[in-house]
Amino acid sequence: QKEVEQNSGPLSVPEGAIASLNCTYSDRVSQSFFWYRQYSGKSPELIMSIYSNGDKEDGRFTAQLNKASQYVSLLIRDSQPSDSATYLCAVNRDDKIIFGKGTRLHILP
Amino acid sequence: GAVVSQHPSWVICKSGTSVKIECRSLDFQATTMFWYRQFPKQSLMLMATSNEGSKATYEQGVEKDKFLINHASLTLSTLTVTSAHPEDSSFYICSAHDAREVTQETQYFGPGTRLLVL
Repeated sequence: QKEVEQNSGPLSVPEGAIASLNCTYSDRVSQSFFWYRQYSGKSPELIMSIYSNGDKEDGRFTAQLNKASQYVSLLIRDSQPSDSATYLCAVNRDDKIIFGKGTRLHILP
Repeated sequence: GAVVSQHPSWVICKSGTSVKIECRSLDFQATTMFWYRQFPKQSLMLMATSNEGSKATYEQGVEKDKFLINHASLTLSTLTVTSAHPEDSSFYICSAHDAREVTQETQYFGPGTRLLVL
């Protein structure tokens, strides 16, 4: 089992709708979780970090964490064409960031 | 703040040559830097952890004699791909941890270096 698993997509969402991205992880002792956005040909940029069960909101983004289910998600409200990118889920393991393969998100104008 | 630069941004070289990539933290000191490699449509794979003043720690499966890492100062780490071959063509990305921060969870990423080996 891979350490961080994501559906590779592409996920197509109409502009203005909610995009929902999901991620599962295998190491139960992981305590820190991250969502990065990566545009084609660019390096990743941090969108959200979450450490506690529940929801964490930042603008149009909401991260959700369920440690019992080993599940992390990212919701993007009012999706914009500029949100089209690959979203990488990541976990901290021994002070190293381990990335999932990423989900390609395509916002349809 | 927290800007990381990489040089060069892209490089094309012949098979068998060595290529050096620099990673610099511009406005903070980084005791730890990380080197990642990303193949097309794949995730970032951690290659090694670069520690200032000591040897790098390589991930399983990464050849330390092929990917030489030097972290001689608190703002500079270098990755040298020795005797590069076409299969080494990839997107190399570094990240740095700010020495002032207690944990290493926040990493600042460089813009990446695209390597093409002919």
